[in-house]
Amino acid sequence: GAGVSQTPSNKVTEKGKYVELRCDPISGHTALYWYRQSLGQGPEFLIYFQGTGAADDSGLPNDRFFAVRPEGSVSTLKIQRTERGDSAVYLCASSLSGTSGSYNEQFFGPGTRLTVL
Amino acid sequence: EDQVTQSPEALRLQEGESSSLNCSYTVSGLRGLFWYRQDPGKGPEFLFTLYSAGEEKEKERLKATLTKKESFLHITAPKPEDSATYLCAVLLRGGSQGNLIFGKGTKLSVKP
Repeated sequence: GAGVSQTPSNKVTEKGKYVELRCDPISGHTALYWYRQSLGQGPEFLIYFQGTGAADDSGLPNDRFFAVRPEGSVSTLKIQRTERGDSAVYLCASSLSGTSGSYNEQFFGPGTRLTVL
Repeated sequence: EDQVTQSPEALRLQEGESSSLNCSYTVSGLRGLFWYRQDPGKGPEFLFTLYSAGEEKEKERLKATLTKKESFLHITAPKPEDSATYLCAVLLRGGSQGNLIFGKGTKLSVKP
């Protein structure tokens, strides 16, 4: 597609439930990133994929959060046993390559607004 | 601790009134500094990347500059359509490619 797409655009769930958020990157982009943005804050890094593997998952807050990218394209962020504090906008970005030596700009999707009641 | 601080938090300008947004950083080693624009309900839109002190980049009414401690985003003769939140982010030397550290942003409002 023309840009990074994310589904759903909005997700309301109850505390304790499981949610999946999907990201479809720009075609041909090998690097994919997940961020979380709370109201009035800048995006906070969660995890970065180079191809199918997680190159850096240091931003995942705890073991309730998990992300996969099985075929090196679409990625799913999975949150188990959701808590009210997980409410935020979850942003996905992609870039041509995440390899060192030169930086490729990250293109962001519109985000998924998650509300945990 | 690596930190990015943006000021002011909010800025109101009249159309045509030039000004600057500040991004100061305290990091162990800078690999690159990035400016993004974010409109309400949308993801950040890439504007500029700066890699070394003294570097400058321009795009329409925007000009970004970088020193060893801070970056400025200069807005010349702004228009109402420049209203948005401007985010600054840094990529650390020795860190992972993906781990951008963002500031909280400056919310710019330009009145006609």
